[in-house]
Amino acid sequence: DAMVIQNPRYQVTQFGKPVTLSCSQTLNHNVMYWYQQKSSQAPKLLFHYYDKDFNNEADTPDNFQSRRPNTSFCFLDIRSPGLGDAAMYLCATSSNYRDSYNEQFFGPGTRLTVL
Amino acid sequence: KNQVEQSPQSLIILEGKNCTLQCNYTVSPFSNLRWYKQDTGRGPVSLTIMTFSENTKSNGRYTATLDADTKQSSLHITASQLSDSASYICVVSKGSYDKVIFGPGTSLSVIP
Repeated sequence: DAMVIQNPRYQVTQFGKPVTLSCSQTLNHNVMYWYQQKSSQAPKLLFHYYDKDFNNEADTPDNFQSRRPNTSFCFLDIRSPGLGDAAMYLCATSSNYRDSYNEQFFGPGTRLTVL
Repeated sequence: KNQVEQSPQSLIILEGKNCTLQCNYTVSPFSNLRWYKQDTGRGPVSLTIMTFSENTKSNGRYTATLDADTKQSSLHITASQLSDSASYICVVSKGSYDKVIFGPGTSLSVIP
């Protein structure tokens, strides 16, 4: 089945220790997104890729970086995690075709804990 | 300002009962409105999508309505089940692939 996969599902890191979250998709979608979701809050968009074009949200901290080496994979790098970065990180994809109504397909998320 | 509001914030209902969740938006221009279900610890899953010209759309026990004039949508759940316990998120699209506005969600708990 076509899907969005995130690894790991749970990640524990130490304060200040770099961490990388992974997302892969078999949908062959052009667009990939990274969201941060804190408890009882709506997902907050960090950045997205349209093909290889990177689009950063204005209020995304410099501590968050992303890489998309090919269509299928996208990585979220947190250079120096702080306690406030503990959250669920959601990866999503969408096709750029109008008749898809811009549906975003979400992965199961990675729960990040910062000690 | 483009915003999506949802009510109630949380809701507890007995298994088998019906419930209705509300979504109000001020997003412009409007392209479509989508309801997502998010189980605890999982990513959101799309339930329904509605465009400007659609008033009602059903997906099993879920029925969404849209009033584009008043910019309101509702999600009605019929004969609730324990597995309906989740957060329901209203998402409005402005039409371009990168412009979606998320509501804060309604947390629904279905109890035996």
